[in-house]
Order: sequence, then structure tokens, then C-alpha cells
Amino acid sequence: AQSVTQLGSHVSVSEGALVLLRCNYSSSVPPYLFWYVQYPNQGLQLLLKYTSAATLVKGINGFEAEFKKSETSFHLTKPSAHMSDAAEYFCAVSSPSGSARQLTFGSGTQLTVLP
Amino acid sequence: EAGVTQFPSHSVIEKGQTVTLRCDPISGHDNLYWYRRVMGKEIKFLLHFVKESKQDESGMPNNRFLAERTGGTYSTLKVQPAELEDSGVYFCASSPAVGGSLTDTQYFGPGTRLTVL
Repeated sequence: AQSVTQLGSHVSVSEGALVLLRCNYSSSVPPYLFWYVQYPNQGLQLLLKYTSAATLVKGINGFEAEFKKSETSFHLTKPSAHMSDAAEYFCAVSSPSGSARQLTFGSGTQLTVLP
Repeated sequence: EAGVTQFPSHSVIEKGQTVTLRCDPISGHDNLYWYRRVMGKEIKFLLHFVKESKQDESGMPNNRFLAERTGGTYSTLKVQPAELEDSGVYFCASSPAVGGSLTDTQYFGPGTRLTVL
């Protein structure tokens, strides 16, 4: 069984500050990992995904995440927060085994950007 | 290209009533998924269609939930009879062709917020 833990249900940063959203996973096999963002009244939008190619993954809107197998982590970062980054962020994992394509999500982190 | 659309955006019903949610995937996407987020909890998988066939329905909570995908196009999720604990946001997602990679992006709709009173 696989699981995802997002530390911090709410994170606040000042505009221009570093954004760090934490995600740890549990999986018996190397997983595929995703970060999604949900802006108000919209669907989930893919920010980036790890597919075992490069451990440092760059996504849209200046976000990136690093896969660290030793720490079972896939934290999301952005060097400088913008007001438009305020949203809820979800880390998810899918199992590379079998034909299963379901995503297992963390509980989400609400990011607030302060002026 | 139109994204995944869901209807209605909100639904408020009383316990014991029936509700049907609809999802229209991105045109040409063979894979269609339903997920649910109960308030304060994580988004959870309900089921996965490949074209018109149910590939995986391991996340369906009980037999009050019935999902169909007519002709491999749009999908409906019926809850009958609805219970209080069914309240939450129901998301639909789609991804491209059969045989695709496990890393294929799932494209999500905006969700249907269901409130059962």
C-alpha cells in the first residue's frame, strides 16, 4: 500500500519569500509522484511530475521539486512567492506496478501569500 | 481544447434522495476517473473507466453508488439513496489512450460539491 503525507495543512509566506511545501511518501516500490494545484473554483492542475528520469523536476509557474529516495520526500519549492500562488496544493503518488492508475493524494496544503 | 467539465457545480439534496453527477472528459480520452474529497480529508479514488468498461472500482464506498460511462464518452455517478456522509466534492479526471503510461497526466474537472442535508 502507498500513502502520502503533507506536513502542514496551512502555510503562510510573504510575497517574495521562499515557498516550501513538504511531501513524504510511503511506497514499497519506487513511485511516480505528482504535485497538483487547485485555485479557487477550478479543477486540479498539474504542476509537475516525477517519472524516474531526473530527480530535480521543474514545473510550471516557477515551481520545482526534488525526489529524495533516502528521505522518501518530494518537497515542492519556489524561490519567490507571488500573490497569484495562493491556492491549495496536493501531492500525489501512483504505483508503477500492475495496471493501476489511481492517484493516492495527501491531505493538501493551503498556501497563503501575504503582501 | 475544452477541459474536463462536470455538472452540476453544486447540488444540495436531502438524505434519502437521489443525485446524479455528470462528467464530460476531454475529447478522445479513454481513461476516466472519479475521485471524492470529504471535507477536511484527502482526495480519494473511487473508480476508473477505460472506455466504457470499469477497470478498477475498488474505491467505491458501497452499493449506493453507481457509475456508468455510456459509449465510452461521458460518465455519470449516481448516489441512491444519499446519506449525510456522502457530502463532499466529487472530482472527475481523464487521461489519454489505453496503453498509456502510469505517468500520464490526469486532467481534472472543477468538481461537483454535493451537500446532503
